[in-house]
Amino acid sequence: DAGVIQSPRHEVTEMGQEVTLRCKPISGHNSLFWYRQTMMRGLELLIYFNNNVPIDDSGMPEDRFSAKMPNASFSTLKIQPSEPRDSAVYFCASSQDSEQYFGPGTRLTVT
Amino acid sequence: GENVEQHPSTLSVQEGDSAVIKCTYSDSASNYFPWYKQELGKGPQLIIDIRSNVGEKKDQRIAVTLNKTAKHFSLHITETQPEDSAVYFCAASIASGTYKYIFGTGTRLKVLA
Repeated sequence: DAGVIQSPRHEVTEMGQEVTLRCKPISGHNSLFWYRQTMMRGLELLIYFNNNVPIDDSGMPEDRFSAKMPNASFSTLKIQPSEPRDSAVYFCASSQDSEQYFGPGTRLTVT
Repeated sequence: GENVEQHPSTLSVQEGDSAVIKCTYSDSASNYFPWYKQELGKGPQLIIDIRSNVGEKKDQRIAVTLNKTAKHFSLHITETQPEDSAVYFCAASIASGTYKYIFGTGTRLKVLA
C-alpha cells in the first residue's frame, strides 16, 4: 500500500494567493482528517470527513479555509486568500477505524 | 475543554537506557490512546496504541500503560537506539462515536550514542 499521498510536498506562495493542498487517502479508509502543525500550536485538527461527508469543521480557523472531499479517494484543502500566518505543515490522515495514518505533509510558506 | 498534557518536552538518554514519556488526559470518555513517532521532515507514524479496556500493551521494545482512574498513560522504550531519536506524540480520543483525537505537545527524544 502506498499510504496516504499528499501533494505538493512544498509550496511557497505570496500573500493573497490561493493555495490548494491535495490528499489521496489509503484505499478502503472511510475517514479523512486535515491537520495543521506549527511550533507554537502543535498538531491541530482542522476538519474531518466520514464517508466523504464533513463531520466536524470546528477547527477550521476562518472562512479563508475550505475543504472538500468529492469522492472516497481525493480531498482538497484550499486557502484563499493566503496570509503569512498560514505558514505551517499541513497533514492529511485517513482511517478505517480508530487508527489514523498520516501522509508526509505539505510544507506551506506564505511570504 | 478536552486537554492532553505531555511530559517531558525533551528527553536525552544514553543508548541502551530506557525512556519514559507520560501523558494525562481530561476527558473521562476517552477510550483510545495512540502514540506517534515523528522524524524530521516526515509525518507522524503510529507506533503503538491502547484501548481503555486494557492496562498494558507491549510490542518488542515499546510498551504502553494506561491508568484510567488517574487518567494517565505512558510510553516506555527499552534498550534505546539512536534511531529511536524523534519527536513522540501521545493522543486521546474525544468521547465516543467520533474519531477525533486531542494530541499532546510532543516529546523530543535524543538517544546519545
